[in-house]
Amino acid sequence: TQLLEQSPQFLSIQEGENLTVYCNSSSVFSSLQWYRQEPGEGPVLLVTVVTGGEVKKLKRLTFQFGDARKDSSLHITAAQPGDTGLYLCAGNTGFQKLVFGTGTRLLVSP
Amino acid sequence: ETGVTQTPRHLVMGMTNKKSLKCEQHLGHNAMYWYKQSAKKPLELMFVYSLEERVENNSVPSRFSPECPNSSHLFLHLHTLQPEDSALYLCASSQAPGQSYEQYFGPGTRLTVT
Repeated sequence: TQLLEQSPQFLSIQEGENLTVYCNSSSVFSSLQWYRQEPGEGPVLLVTVVTGGEVKKLKRLTFQFGDARKDSSLHITAAQPGDTGLYLCAGNTGFQKLVFGTGTRLLVSP
Repeated sequence: ETGVTQTPRHLVMGMTNKKSLKCEQHLGHNAMYWYKQSAKKPLELMFVYSLEERVENNSVPSRFSPECPNSSHLFLHLHTLQPEDSALYLCASSQAPGQSYEQYFGPGTRLTVT
C-alpha cells in the first residue's frame, strides 16, 4: 500500500510567519500535486511537480519535489489568513489514479 | 455552469433509504472519480471511470453503486447505508491518459446517515 505522510498534521500560526509542510513516502511517484481545500469546498489544485529536484513558486508559496521523487515540501512565506485551509499532497501512481496524503490543516490568525 | 458541480450539497438519509448523488463536469475531461473524505482519514478513492468504463473499484461495499452514462455525468447510487458511511463525497474529473492526472474537484456532498 502506498502511503503519503504529511507533517505537521495541524499548524496554527500568526500572520506574517513562515512555515513548511512536508509530504513523505517510501514510494516513487511520477509526479506529485499539492491541493488546498477550504471548509465546505472540494480541493483545488495548486501545483504539479514532475522532475526530481524541481522547485516551483506560486507567489508566496514554494514547492519542491525531492530528488528521488519520493517526497515534497511546501513553504509559505509571510502567511496570511487567506492561506488558511487543508493542504493535501497527492502522488501519481501512474495507474490513472492519485494517492492522497494525510493532510495538514493550517490556521493563520490575524 | 463551469468546472465540476455536485448535487445535492447536503443529504440526510436513513439506513433504509435509497438516494443518488450526481456529478457533472463541464471541462471536457474523459475521466471521472468518486472519493470519500472522512474526518481524520486521508481522501479515499472509491471509483474511477475512464471513457465511461469503470477502471477502478477500490474494494467499496456493494451498497455504493456508481454509474457513468457519459463522459460528463457521474452518479453514485446509495442504498442501505450505515452510519459510518457519513462523510463528504467528492467527485473529480481529469484528462486521461495524461502525465499527471490532475484532479478537478466538485464542492462535495455532505452525507449524514441516521
